Amino acid sequence: QISLKESGPTLVKPTQTLTLTCTFSGFSLNTNGVGVGWIRQPPGKALEWLALIYWDDDKRYSPSLKTRLTITKDTSKNQVVLTMTNMDPVDTATYFCAHRHLSWFGEAFDYWGQGTLVTVS
Amino acid sequence: QSVLTQPPSVSAAPGQKVTISCSGSSSNIGNNYVSWYQQLPGTAPKLLIYDNNKRPSGIPDRFSVSKSGTSATLGITGLQTGDEADYYCGTWDGSLNTGVFGGGTKLTVL
Repeated sequence: QISLKESGPTLVKPTQTLTLTCTFSGFSLNTNGVGVGWIRQPPGKALEWLALIYWDDDKRYSPSLKTRLTITKDTSKNQVVLTMTNMDPVDTATYFCAHRHLSWFGEAFDYWGQGTLVTVS
Repeated sequence: QSVLTQPPSVSAAPGQKVTISCSGSSSNIGNNYVSWYQQLPGTAPKLLIYDNNKRPSGIPDRFSVSKSGTSATLGITGLQTGDEADYYCGTWDGSLNTGVFGGGTKLTVL
């Protein structure tokens, strides 16, 4: 069965760089069509799509955060890493990683990690 | 400000039906497939609907979606207290070349 888990610091200071790791099992990022994405949710607010990396190393980023985000994969470790530079208190949120639903048609996330709360202060 | 527009809240009595709208544009809903997520308090989102109207295994047919033009509507029949949650629509935006979510709708089952 597919599972994902986020890890990283719970507290970062303003201007620092955040590095989050998503460790997954039950699928391979070497498989055609597979992808892993990052989504965040500030306390009491809506989901925000951040980034997605595909099996072929294609990457997509939120336009509003593109200059600050980098997503990479390590298929040997079954990990996806998201880095976000120049952190600000408004970046305080729960960060989720999720598995891209395999479909020829739309984009969706069918398995999610439990999320990790990152506070910027 | 979310790219997709949802009502902040909806409510209905147990056993009744409720609908949640999601409005977008031709660059997102109008030309891409829509997904819906349910987020119970304190938990990660759960995929309810993908590819406009398909349900993952285990999702009851009380949940359905209609789509027309640049809008989609999630319908939930036979409301249960366990359906109280936040609901989000999502899709791809071809102009932004990124995924997008709605602002979320809080469902209260009175």
